[in-house]
This record gives sequence, C-alpha cells and structure tokens, in this order.
Amino acid sequence: QLQLQESGPGLVKPSETLSLTCTASGGSLMSNFYYWGWIRQPPGKGLEWIGCIYYSGSTYYSPSLKSRLTISVDTSKNQFSLRLTSLTAADTAMYYCARLHNERAYGMDVWGQGTTVTVSS
Amino acid sequence: QSVLTQPPSASGTPGQRVTISCSGSSSNIGSNAVNWYQQLPGTAPKLLIFRNNQRPSGVPDRFSGSKSDTSASLAISGLQSEDEADYYCAAWDGTLNVLFGGGTKLTVL
Repeated sequence: QLQLQESGPGLVKPSETLSLTCTASGGSLMSNFYYWGWIRQPPGKGLEWIGCIYYSGSTYYSPSLKSRLTISVDTSKNQFSLRLTSLTAADTAMYYCARLHNERAYGMDVWGQGTTVTVSS
Repeated sequence: QSVLTQPPSASGTPGQRVTISCSGSSSNIGSNAVNWYQQLPGTAPKLLIFRNNQRPSGVPDRFSGSKSDTSASLAISGLQSEDEADYYCAAWDGTLNVLFGGGTKLTVL
C-alpha cells in the first residue's frame, strides 16, 4: 500500500525559497500509470493545484505559479520535491503531495497527510 | 475566484438525498472528466468519484456522480452524519493543469 509523506520547514521568511520533499513508501515512483503532484490549501480556503511530475522528469505547472516553481524527482530515493521561490504571506498553506492515476482521469487517489508552511518574518 | 463554480454550502437531514453542482466551461468540464474529492475536517482530501461517475473501491454506492455538457453533479443519498465534510470538484484543462472548484461545505442537520 503506497504511502506518501511530506517533509520540510514549517516556517519560512518572506522572499525566501520553500523546499518540500515527498517520500513514497510501499511503492515506486517509476510507473507508467502515475504522475506525482503537489496541491496546497491556505488556511480556511479551498484546494489549489501547484503542479506535477512524471518519473521521467516531465513537469506540468500551474500557470499562476510557473515563474516561481520547480518540481523535481529523485527515483533513487523514491522522492519528489517542490521548490517555490520569492515567498509571500499568500504562500502560507497546508501543502499536500499526491499520486495522480492516469487510468482514473488523473484523479489523486493517494495523498500525504500534508505539511503546514507559514511564511512570516 | 475558482474557474469551476460550486455552491459554498449545502445541507440535508439524515437519510435525505443532496446534490452538489459544479459548473465549468467547454475548455475544462466540457472537454475532460470530472473528479470529486471529500475532505473530512482536519484530514487530507480523498478521491470520491473519478471520470465523472466512477467510484474507487471502498467508496459507498450512496455517492454518485454525473456530468452533462459543462456541468457536473455529486449526489449523496441516504445522508449520514459522517458525510459532513467539504466536497471539491476538479477537472483539468487538457494540459494537466488541474482546476478545483471552490468547495462546498456539507452540513448534516
């Protein structure tokens, strides 16, 4: 049973860069069936798509975050990562990683528990 | 402002049937499948419906989805107290840019 676990700093200063990692256990990132994505949820608000990556390294980014965003994958560690630059308070959110299943219309069928990120000086 | 429009709230009494709508456009719902997520308080979202009307294993058949043109709906029959949650529709725009609805908070009265 695949499990995903996010990790990273809980507090980041404005203008700095956020780096988060999602570690997969109980399954491999190297599958033709899945993409690996990031989603965030500001406090008290709805879900926001960040982007996703295929194990080969192909990426798809939200247009609104594309200029600040890099998603990468390390198949040797079974991890994928998010890097978001030039942070502001608007980036404060719960950040989730998830598996997108291409035979389920890219439905996100496995989620991490989420990690809280606060942008504050 | 979300591209996919959902009512902010819905409610029903135990045993009742409730529906939640999701309105989009020809470039998203009109061209691609709709997925629905349930988010219980304090937890990560859970895939509830995929490809408009398919349920992952383990999801009760009380939950059903439908799609017509540029709109989709989630129906919950035999409403139970544990169904109280936030529900989100999602569709992509054809380039793996996933669009989420703003979410509907379901209250079981």
